[in-house]
Amino acid sequence: NAGVTQTPKFQVLKTGQSMTLQCAQDMNHNSMYWYRQDPGMGLRLIYYSASEGTTDKGEVPNGYNVSRLNKREFSLRLESAAPSQTSVYFCASSDGQGSNGETQYFGPGTRLLVL
Amino acid sequence: AQSVSQHNHHVILSEAASLELGCNYSYGGTVNLFWYVQYPGQHLQLLLKYFSGDPLVKGIKGFEAEFIKSKFSFNLRKPSVQWSDTAEYFCAVNAPYNNNDMRFGAGTRLTVKP
Repeated sequence: NAGVTQTPKFQVLKTGQSMTLQCAQDMNHNSMYWYRQDPGMGLRLIYYSASEGTTDKGEVPNGYNVSRLNKREFSLRLESAAPSQTSVYFCASSDGQGSNGETQYFGPGTRLLVL
Repeated sequence: AQSVSQHNHHVILSEAASLELGCNYSYGGTVNLFWYVQYPGQHLQLLLKYFSGDPLVKGIKGFEAEFIKSKFSFNLRKPSVQWSDTAEYFCAVNAPYNNNDMRFGAGTRLTVKP
């Protein structure tokens, strides 16, 4: 099993450009997440999808959109990139069965630089 | 919403030293608590978690953490660190009624000198 995969690994954008970060999981998980990691701030939840067909805002959703394409895939889109969106983006998934202490499994991350 | 504070930004230890990383959360209700670790060049992975029962939980690689409800704390400990424990450690919390809304602390970078 590959677990959670993300593409691309690294991307440089100019201000105003758009791009989509891709995420896929092969663990048959129901729930998927997008986080950003910034120095001194830990991981912050951008959006999540509790199940196929649903998405919800997290702590820092502004400037982002998401699509839960199917059970495996959850994409994050930046419509008009800004320097403040320079960050490392992590995708994660969990089984979504509602069990207490549900573990999230993380992808390798995408480093995004917006100039 | 819940939040997490990690007091130490960077900890430097020599091998065989004991480790304790602080984690405090702010939330009045029942919580699930986690420690995740990110080794250099690797994915974040779960170290240990608490959701009910014995407040002293044991994780992988000899780590343990104690949930002290009265102090809103979930500190991570290891009696004797190794060079291979060099990593960044994140404390996280969510509420059982909303497993999806996970809040992470800022992280603590641990450097273990050989």
